[in-house]
Amino acid sequence: QSALTQPASVSGSPGQSITISCTGTSSDVGGYNYVSWYQQHPGKAPKLMIFDVSKRPSGVSNRFSGSKSGNTASLTISGLQAEDEADYYCSSYTTSSTWVFGGGTKVTVL
Amino acid sequence: QVQLVESGGGVVQPGRSLRLSCAASGFTFSGYGMHWVRQAPGKGLEWVAVISYDGSNKYYADSVKGRFTISRDNSKNTLYLQINSLRVEDTAVYYCAKGIYGGNSPFDYWGQGTLVTVSS
Repeated sequence: QSALTQPASVSGSPGQSITISCTGTSSDVGGYNYVSWYQQHPGKAPKLMIFDVSKRPSGVSNRFSGSKSGNTASLTISGLQAEDEADYYCSSYTTSSTWVFGGGTKVTVL
Repeated sequence: QVQLVESGGGVVQPGRSLRLSCAASGFTFSGYGMHWVRQAPGKGLEWVAVISYDGSNKYYADSVKGRFTISRDNSKNTLYLQINSLRVEDTAVYYCAKGIYGGNSPFDYWGQGTLVTVSS
């Protein structure tokens, strides 16, 4: 159950688009369309932003989108806003019927 | 609206046991899988365990297998996590989270967490 690999930090200016990658293996990200993305502000509980690779829960801005290619999933935030500054975590189902998170990516809005 | 409220955390000595609870409301608890996820201070999220809607299936992270037990009481709308032989490295905020579907599915709603500190 090795953690998925995410960049430690990503930054962008307001209005720009950024993409966060999440790399796993064929036993997790590459093997299932069960990749999720969570946003966490300091001191708060995580919030689901994307599930099943590219589905958005109701209430989540359409500025957030997800995709997957092979063993790498991606979260794109378009029209970056100050409120998007937070930690983002990817998660995937695995062949062991367990779940694994990425190490997290700190998004900074310049 | 969905509400998940964890309780049972606190300061515990290494080797002792603790039971965490998660009281659920605002949805049909017996229809959804439930998870525990933890986060050590200043660290990332770590998935801990999942239980199916009827309690018949349970899966654990390798790091807790054999020491942690997830269970649920659908008559009380409550999820539990029994933690035995506590270690310093178990120090974390423990979150319960609701599955999106009935089985082993991603998690949508999260509680606010309960802090477990293992220290002598």
